[in-house]
Amino acid sequence: AQSVSQHNHHVILSEAASLELGCNYSYGGTVNLFWYVQYPGQHLQLLLKYFSGDPLVKGIKGFEAEFIKSKFSFNLRKPSVQWSDTAEYFCAVISGNTGKLIFGQGTTLQVKP
Amino acid sequence: DTAVSQTPKYLVTQMGNDKSIKCEQNLGHDTMYWYKQDSKKFLKIMFSYNNKELIINETVPNRFSPKSPDKAHLNLHINSLELGDSAVYFCASSPRSQGSEAFFGQGTRLTVV
Repeated sequence: AQSVSQHNHHVILSEAASLELGCNYSYGGTVNLFWYVQYPGQHLQLLLKYFSGDPLVKGIKGFEAEFIKSKFSFNLRKPSVQWSDTAEYFCAVISGNTGKLIFGQGTTLQVKP
Repeated sequence: DTAVSQTPKYLVTQMGNDKSIKCEQNLGHDTMYWYKQDSKKFLKIMFSYNNKELIINETVPNRFSPKSPDKAHLNLHINSLELGDSAVYFCASSPRSQGSEAFFGQGTRLTVV
């Protein structure tokens, strides 16, 4: 069955630190990959997405993610986090066959000013 | 001009009651979803409709019944509410059933007492 795994459940960083959140998925076929962010008390917003082409994807607010097909990974990165990046981050996958958008467990990012 | 709107935003009700959550999207999308986010922030897909037709029905109790009067609306009716139904319910829509990013509503926080 299709699944998404996020390795870090709770990450605490100081402002200006670099961020990398891990995401692995288990599906061998064609996939579309997403990172969503959920700020406290708000709905999910799309940070970035990968459908095809350049495996290094740039999103909003300085975030980027790299798709490594051989590792079934789509890790999220940001060189320098800000206090306003404090939020819940979700990796998600749609497989070509099922059409279901499946989410990882989420990672809580807390950035200390 | 909210793209995906849900009502109500908050819903507190007693066990055994029947309640409905409404969702409307003005994006012209064909596909709509209901997700449940539990207290640990885990997002689980419940249902997906494509142009008023049910295409995904996860293992959800029969007490939950989605209804799509037209492709812009997907309502969720819940019978005989239980304590375990307490969660945040998110409606989402996407342009087509496979591969596209989903746009989320603000969520409905359901509390069953």
